[in-house]
Amino acid sequence: TQLLEQSPQFLSIQEGENLTVYCNSSSVFSSLQWYRQEPGEGPVLLVTVVTGGEVKKLKRLTFQFGDARKDSSLHITAAQPGDTGLYLCAGASRYQGGKLIFGQGTELSVKP
Amino acid sequence: DAGVIQSPRHEVTEMGQEVTLRCKPISGHDYLFWYRQTMMRGLELLIYFNNNVPIDDSGMPEDRFSAKMPNASFSTLKIQPSEPRDSAVYFCASSPRDRFNEQFFGPGTRLTVL
Repeated sequence: TQLLEQSPQFLSIQEGENLTVYCNSSSVFSSLQWYRQEPGEGPVLLVTVVTGGEVKKLKRLTFQFGDARKDSSLHITAAQPGDTGLYLCAGASRYQGGKLIFGQGTELSVKP
Repeated sequence: DAGVIQSPRHEVTEMGQEVTLRCKPISGHDYLFWYRQTMMRGLELLIYFNNNVPIDDSGMPEDRFSAKMPNASFSTLKIQPSEPRDSAVYFCASSPRDRFNEQFFGPGTRLTVL
């Protein structure tokens, strides 16, 4: 069974701080995605990475796919209260028929 | 453009009752997914359809769960009979033909079975 482990599970920081969320697996993924979910809503896709070593930036968010395509990280610079939410990584593997396997999520709280 | 629409947003029912959750995917999307989210197990795929045909239902917990997609704009997830352990948030998502994993999620249905 393929698993995606996210760390930390919970993160509470002050506005302006930087943070990194990690997503790790022992399995290789053909692609990996990051979603953000706010209370009472469904997950919203932030980014898809497909190439080992790939780095993508979305404003203050930087996403990286590990060289071996087994792990990924999300770095937020100068966090703002609007970044508060549940961050989910999801990997797709041909061994799972391309279906997404979701991590447990990182609950981020950014206090003003 | 309208996103994925789910109804009802909240459902409270008693154990043993039948529950039907509804979903309207984004127009033009070929894939439709049903997920369940709980604190303990996170977000789990239950079943997905391609062009209205069920492709993989290996995530459906047991025979009490069934899903249908009678046409490209409507799908249902039915639980009969419902049990307290079915309490969760159920999400429907859809994606276009050439981007299977770039899924657009609906707002979810919060189900409570008493």
